[in-house]
Amino acid sequence: DAGVIQSPRHEVTEMGQEVTLRCKPISGHNSLFWYRQTMMRGLELLIYFNNNVPIDDSGMPEDRFSAKMPNASFSTLKIQPSEPRDSAVYFCASSFDRVSNQPQHFGDGTRLSIL
Amino acid sequence: AQKVTQAQTEISVVEKEDVTLDCVYETRDTTYYLFWYKQPPSGELVFLIRRNSFDEQNEISGRYSWNFQKSTSSFNFTITASQVVDSAVYFCALSEGSGSRLTFGEGTQLTVNP
Repeated sequence: DAGVIQSPRHEVTEMGQEVTLRCKPISGHNSLFWYRQTMMRGLELLIYFNNNVPIDDSGMPEDRFSAKMPNASFSTLKIQPSEPRDSAVYFCASSFDRVSNQPQHFGDGTRLSIL
Repeated sequence: AQKVTQAQTEISVVEKEDVTLDCVYETRDTTYYLFWYKQPPSGELVFLIRRNSFDEQNEISGRYSWNFQKSTSSFNFTITASQVVDSAVYFCALSEGSGSRLTFGEGTQLTVNP
C-alpha cells in the first residue's frame, strides 16, 4: 500500500516567493496533520484536519501560512510570502481516527530552504 | 498541558550493547496514548509503537521492548543487542484522549558504532 506522499521532496526558493507543499494521505485515513521540524524547535504540529475540516490550527505561525484540504485525498500548505526563518522540514501525516488515537503515519517530508 | 521529556540528547554505544532510551511525560488526562517513532538518517519518521494509558503491560517486538510505568510517568524504550542500522533519532510522543494532537519529545540521537 502507498504511504503518505508529499511533494516536492526539496524546495529552494528566494524570500518573498510563494511556496506550496502538497500531501496525499493514505487512502481511507480521515485525519491529516502538518508538522514542521527545525533544530531549534523540534517537531511542531501546525494544523490538523479531520474529515477535511480544520480542527486545530493553533500551531500555524502567522497569517503567511495557510492550509487547505479540498477533499479526502489531497491537502496543501502554503506560505506567502516566504521568509528565511521558514526554512525547515515539513511533514504531512495521516491516521484513521474514528475510535481512538491511532498512530499517525508520516510522509518523507519536504525540505524547504528559503534564501 | 501535555509535555514529553527525553533527557538524553545523544547516546553512543558499541554494536551488540543494550541501550535504553528514556521518556517522561506529563498530562492531566486519565486517557492518553504514548508513541515511539524512529527517524533514520534518511529523514522519514517511522512509527514503532502505540500504547494507551490503561495498558501497562510491557511489550516486546524482536530486539525492541517498551516499559510503561504510570507511577513514574515513564515510557522507556530498550534495544537489545543493538546494531548499526539502529542508528537514528528516536522520538517519544503523547496524545491525550480528547484529541489527536501529538506532542513530541526533543528526540534522542542514538549512534551505534561497529
